[in-house]
Formats: sequence, structure tokens, C-alpha cells
Amino acid sequence: EAQVTQNPRYLITVTGKKLTVTCSQNMNHEYMSWYRQDPGLGLRQIYYSMNVEVTDKGDVPEGYKVSRKEKRNFPLILESPSPNQTSLYFCASSLSPAGGSYEQYFGPGTRLTVT
Amino acid sequence: AQKITQTQPGMFVQEKEAVTLDCTYDTSDPSYGLFWYKQPSSGEMIFLIYQGSYDQQNATEGRYSLNFQKARKSANLVISASQLGDSAMYFCAMRENGFQKLVFGTGTRLLVSP
Repeated sequence: EAQVTQNPRYLITVTGKKLTVTCSQNMNHEYMSWYRQDPGLGLRQIYYSMNVEVTDKGDVPEGYKVSRKEKRNFPLILESPSPNQTSLYFCASSLSPAGGSYEQYFGPGTRLTVT
Repeated sequence: AQKITQTQPGMFVQEKEAVTLDCTYDTSDPSYGLFWYKQPSSGEMIFLIYQGSYDQQNATEGRYSLNFQKARKSANLVISASQLGDSAMYFCAMRENGFQKLVFGTGTRLLVSP
């Protein structure tokens, strides 16, 4: 089954404790992206990757890091989480990074709470 | 500047009726794509429908259709014969040619009543 998986699905942590949210897709997609969803703001892009070892900032990259060492994996790293990073996080992937009708497939989401 | 505007925070509709969810967009790029996603209470994002800026006809997918008015820069989602399972948050999104992201609106929460 074609899918994007994220782990963990739920996480409560404390300020400053480094964490990683994993994302993996089995569709051989080149393009992967991280979004955060906050009430009243919709989804905003954090980082994206056009292929292995190619990553770039989205609209809200502060406080986040990413890496793309393998095509299927795109982890999101919070080196020192803060309460304002409490949010619902989505990983997404698509076949082509260059526009077109290719939909982005979303993972199930990770609900993060930083206290 | 807001690129995607969804002016209806919430909408109510009775089962079996049609409903239109509004979306306006702003871009100077002649090549772009418009998407609608559904987010049920369980949280996942479900792709519904896509419209390309050069597409001559309005997109349709089952009970979903996209009313694309290019001159007005609107891309409204029409759901025909609403079902209880349509109750969810609906997001309009745009991808401009050459840009690597979807820009989302703030969403419209649809509630379908029996």
C-alpha cells in the first residue's frame, strides 16, 4: 500500500529536549516536505526536499532541521523545542517537485506538545 | 499578502443538499495548480480534487466539482448530495509553477446535519 508514515503520532515533551519526528514514504517520490498546522493559520511549510541531499527552507524554518540521506526518509529534528512549536505536523511527498497535477500525499500527522 | 483566502470559517448544510465552499487566490504566475483537501476529525489530509490554470473544463471527481473562475481568481469546491461523512475541515491550496510548496488557506469547517 502506497503511504507516508510518521512516528511518533503523539508526543509530549519538555522545553529543550531534542526530538526527531521520522517520516518515510514507499512511493519512490523525489519531493518531500514538512508542514505545521495551527488553528486559524492553515498549514505552513517548514522545510522541503527535492531529492537526496537537497533540502531548502519553507516559510517557517526557525527552530527546525531536516536531512535527506535516503530517498524514502525525511526526518524533522527539533534541537531545542519550545512551547511555540506545539503543533500538528505533517510530512508529505509527491512524484514531481516541479508543479503539475501531482498531488501531495500526506502522512497521518504528529501531534506535538512542548511544555 | 494572503495568497489563498477562505472566507467561511464554518458552513452548515443538511444531508443530501449541495454546498459550495469558497476559495479565492492571488498569483501573478500564469501557470499554477489549485487543490482541495479534506481533513476529518481523525486528522489526516485527504486529497479531493485538482484544477490546473490551463485546464479548459472544471474538474470533477464523483460528488466533488471545482467551480473555476479564472478571471475572478476563484476556485470554489461544490459538494453535491452532502453526506454525514462529509463533515470535516476543508482546505484550498495553490501551487505556483516552479515553487516547491503548497500554500494553504485557513480552512472551512463543514457540518452536515441529518
